[in-house]
Order: sequence, then C-alpha cells, then structure tokens
Amino acid sequence: QVQLVESGGGVVQPGRSLRLSCAASGFTFSSYGMHWVRQAPGKGLEWVAVISYDGSNKNYADSVKGRFTISRDNSKNTLYLEMNSLRAEDTAVYYCAKDAHYGGNSATDFWGQGTLVTVSS
Amino acid sequence: DIQMTQSPSSLSASVGDRVTITCRASQGISNYLAWYQQKPGKVPKLLIYAASTLQSGVPSRFSGSGSGTDFTLTISSLQPEDVATYYCQKYNSAPFTFGPGTKVDIK
Repeated sequence: QVQLVESGGGVVQPGRSLRLSCAASGFTFSSYGMHWVRQAPGKGLEWVAVISYDGSNKNYADSVKGRFTISRDNSKNTLYLEMNSLRAEDTAVYYCAKDAHYGGNSATDFWGQGTLVTVSS
Repeated sequence: DIQMTQSPSSLSASVGDRVTITCRASQGISNYLAWYQQKPGKVPKLLIYAASTLQSGVPSRFSGSGSGTDFTLTISSLQPEDVATYYCQKYNSAPFTFGPGTKVDIK
C-alpha cells in the first residue's frame, strides 16, 4: 500500500533553515510527480511546490518562491523541501502528496500524515 | 495567477439533504478541477478529479460537474460521516491553487 512519511519538522527561529523529507513506499516513486502542501493552524490548504517524476521540472507558490527548493532522490524514494529564510507565516503542517496520474498536471491521491513546522523566536 | 473561490464558506444541513458546493475559477481551467474532503484532524482525501470523475472507493452520493470556470460538488444525501471541510483545487498548470474551503456540518 502507498505510504508517505514526512519528517524534519520542528521549531525554528525566523530567518533560519529547515529541510523536510518525505519517504515514499508502495508505488513506483520515480514515475510520479510529487507535491508539498501546507496548512497553517486552523486555516485552509495552501499548495507549496511540485516536482516532476524525474526532477526536471519544478514549480512554486509565489509565497515561497526564491526561499524554498523542492527536490527528489529517486534512488532513495525520497522527496525533500529545503526551506530557507523562514518566516512566522511559514508555520504550518507540511504534507507531501503524490500525483494521481502519470504525465504531470494531476490531482493528488495520497497524502502523508504531515510534519509540523513552527517558526518562532 | 488564477484565483479559486468557493461558496458558501460554511453550511449546515440535515441528514438526507442534498448539498451543493460551488467552486469558481477566475479564468477557464477546462476540467482540471479536483475536490478533496478533509475531516477534522485528518489528512485530505481525494473525492473527484477531472471535475466529474469519482475517485475509486468514494461513495456514489458524491458527484461533480462543471467545466471552464464554474464547478459544483454535490452530496445527494448528506450522511453524518460527511461532516468535513471540502476544498476544490485547480491543476491545469502551476500554481495548483486550492479554494478557501467549505465547512459542512449537520443541523
């Protein structure tokens, strides 16, 4: 069965960096695009970033462009989110999610349980 | 960027009622529209993709329609387990923006 397990969250000071990981299993990781989506406490879902199956294409929300970097290691079945220059407004649960279909531009059919990032001094 | 809106922001209905949620895109997105259900304290779950295709395992009381800029999610007979927040999402191109959500509860 598909499993996505995020890790790397925690409390970090404003301006500092953090790297999130998402370990995937139960499907052919190298065949699917992957996303990061976040949810601030008590708020709605905010799409953050997407990476194509082979890592050649990446896109970001304007709110994180230039500060966050999405990447993947298909040999390790792992997705990453490098977050720099963190701000209080980046505080959220961060979910990784898998494309439902091949070929990109897809809805997401499986989500991890999320990892909480708290940006606070 | 294309903006996504939803209405209403919340609703309260009785068990067995027909419930309709509307999602609107600020520009046409063809049928690149998904609906998700998020129950309190849980992870979002894909209900519908391609505007009207039911995801495997989703009860048939859920249905979606629309194309271009206007979309609807319908629950034909509301059940207690449908209490949740429902989000639409565009995925024709990045950014893959979500709507603000519609909270559904039981009257």
